This record gives sequence, structure tokens and C-alpha cells, in this order.
Amino acid sequence: DARVTQTPRHKVTEMGQEVTMRCQPILGHNTVFWYRQTMMQGLELLAYFRNRAPLDDSGMPKDRFSAEMPDATLATLKIQPSEPRDSAVYFCASGLTPLGRGRSSNSPLHFGNGTRLTVT
Amino acid sequence: GQSLEQPSEVTAVEGAIVQINCTYQTSGFYGLSWYQQHDGGAPTFLSYNALDGLEETGRFSSFLSRSDSYGYLLLQELQMKDSASYFCAVRPNSGNTPLVFGKGTRLSVIA
Repeated sequence: DARVTQTPRHKVTEMGQEVTMRCQPILGHNTVFWYRQTMMQGLELLAYFRNRAPLDDSGMPKDRFSAEMPDATLATLKIQPSEPRDSAVYFCASGLTPLGRGRSSNSPLHFGNGTRLTVT
Repeated sequence: GQSLEQPSEVTAVEGAIVQINCTYQTSGFYGLSWYQQHDGGAPTFLSYNALDGLEETGRFSSFLSRSDSYGYLLLQELQMKDSASYFCAVRPNSGNTPLVFGKGTRLSVIA
């Protein structure tokens, strides 16, 4: 089965350190998303790419977070410097979003298993 | 903007039927989706309603009424393995905003 792969599964780091999370989307999917999940806020969209172009990163703190897709098989989310309030589970998801006609058709998101980040 | 409201917790007995409601305020969207997430796991897609009415997939059914801004997920013949969090989500039909999720309903199935 094709699946979204995220690394690392767990990361514990000290405040101020850089954190890099990686995601390999499903081959052929044209959209990639980064979500953050916490008990208080639920699933929050951080960034969104279509055909590797960033479309929406309004949910991401720009001063410390950055998201890139260096190629179609790799998406990265970096936090520098990390802070304790960044502790959360970070999910990458990919999908196939139809363009133009037929946009009402369903294109479910496929989530990776997440990176559980703890910043002390 | 978009907002979706779900109950935070629901408890039901094994073998019973449970309905998880989702009410929303949105300017327009393509359809209502439901995702399941077990503790420590990833959200996985369950169902999608593009049109009003009921969609059935095995023990799970999902319903949408756009006129009432309301949908629900119905789980029948509950099993212990159905204990999980369930999220409703919409994809707005304007701008570039992708799926917007509700905060989820934690379902506990008890014996």
C-alpha cells in the first residue's frame, strides 16, 4: 500500500535547537499539507503545497517556521529556534486535488504517522 | 471563514448505535468529510458527502444537510475497536484553503 512516510517519529530537543521534520508524500499526489495537532487546538493547518508551490502558509509562525518542497518526493518543515510551545504532533498529508472542473469530487487526504515533538 | 462544531466526547455501549454530529458555519464548501484517528495514530479517511443525504459504507454512514448546516456520522454495531476520535472536515470552495477540521469527538466504546 502506498503511504505517506514521516521522519522522525519522535523528537525530543532543547529549547533553541533547530528541528527538521521530513515527509515523503505518496507518489503521484500533487498536494502536500503540514498539520499540527494539540489537545487544545486540534488539527491546525501550517502549510500547503500544490505541485510543489506553496499556496498557503498563513497558519505558520513565519519568524521560526519554514516549509519547503525541494522536490516532488520530499517536503520539510523546520523550526528554528524551537520553543516549548511547539511541542505537538506534526502530521504531513498528501492528496490529489482536482483542478478546474470536477473540484467537488472527493480527494481524501492520506496522513503520515506524524512526528511527536517535545521541546524542553 | 469556516468553523465546525462537534461534541468533545461521546460514550456508547458495544453493539449499540451512536451518532456524532457536526454543525458548521462556512461560506461555501465542496463536501463534508469524516476522518477517524486512533490514539497515537494518524487520521484516516472514512467517508465523504458531496450532496445532501446519506452515504453508507458498511457499519458507518454519513449524512449531510446543507440547508441545516449539519451533518453526522452514524456508527452501527459498535465494536471496541471503534474507540477513537472522529473529525468532520470541509473543503471551502473559495480561495486556496484546503480541508478545515473540527476539533474532533472522542468516542469511547464500553462493554
